[in-house]
Amino acid sequence: GAVVSQHPSRVICKSGTSVKIECRSLDFQATTMFWYRQFPKQSLMLMATSNEGSKATYEQGVEKDKFLINHASLTLSTLTVTSAHPEDSSFYICSARDRGQGNSPLHFGNGTRLTVT
Amino acid sequence: AQRVTQPEKLLSVFKGAPVELKCNYSYSGSPELFWYVQYSRQRLQLLLRHISRESIKGFTADLNKGETSFHLKKPFAQEEDSAMYYCALLLYNQGGKLIFGQGTELSVKP
Repeated sequence: GAVVSQHPSRVICKSGTSVKIECRSLDFQATTMFWYRQFPKQSLMLMATSNEGSKATYEQGVEKDKFLINHASLTLSTLTVTSAHPEDSSFYICSARDRGQGNSPLHFGNGTRLTVT
Repeated sequence: AQRVTQPEKLLSVFKGAPVELKCNYSYSGSPELFWYVQYSRQRLQLLLRHISRESIKGFTADLNKGETSFHLKKPFAQEEDSAMYYCALLLYNQGGKLIFGQGTELSVKP
């Protein structure tokens, strides 16, 4: 089945530093990937839509300069949390859809637990 | 505005009891809805989608356009069904993104 790999699974960083999270589709190509943020036992909040070869589309209230998204290839999207603050601590999840299957269900990565100290 | 609502944060039942996890949606177009499940320490995975009309792990969900609902049901809950369940709506006209309800934690007691 379709697999989405997310790396790292866990990261701790100091305030003011930047952290990069990678999302890869392992056995399919994805023109579109989605980045979500999840708080404990709460819903997934869509942050942005990552489009291969073009700019990401951010949801209302998400700072594009803070959460930099790059979708350089059909199998890789990255989310960089810049100048991280403790309030950025959260669980970040990426997802992707197989480009060859129209509006098929999204496949999700395992998530990245970010802790900012 | 499009929205997915799961009114129950926690649902606790005994093993063998019927289960219904509620989901209501708001969407002006023709909806495509999904149920995702997240077991402890695992990634989110698709449970079922309404267009396939499948029954997965004994769960079913019927789309009721009149009531704008897509409730998830299982006649006899098992302990291994304990997990977080999320109802999701596909937004065709917005790049195919998926928006989620708040989630319901199902706890099945022995």
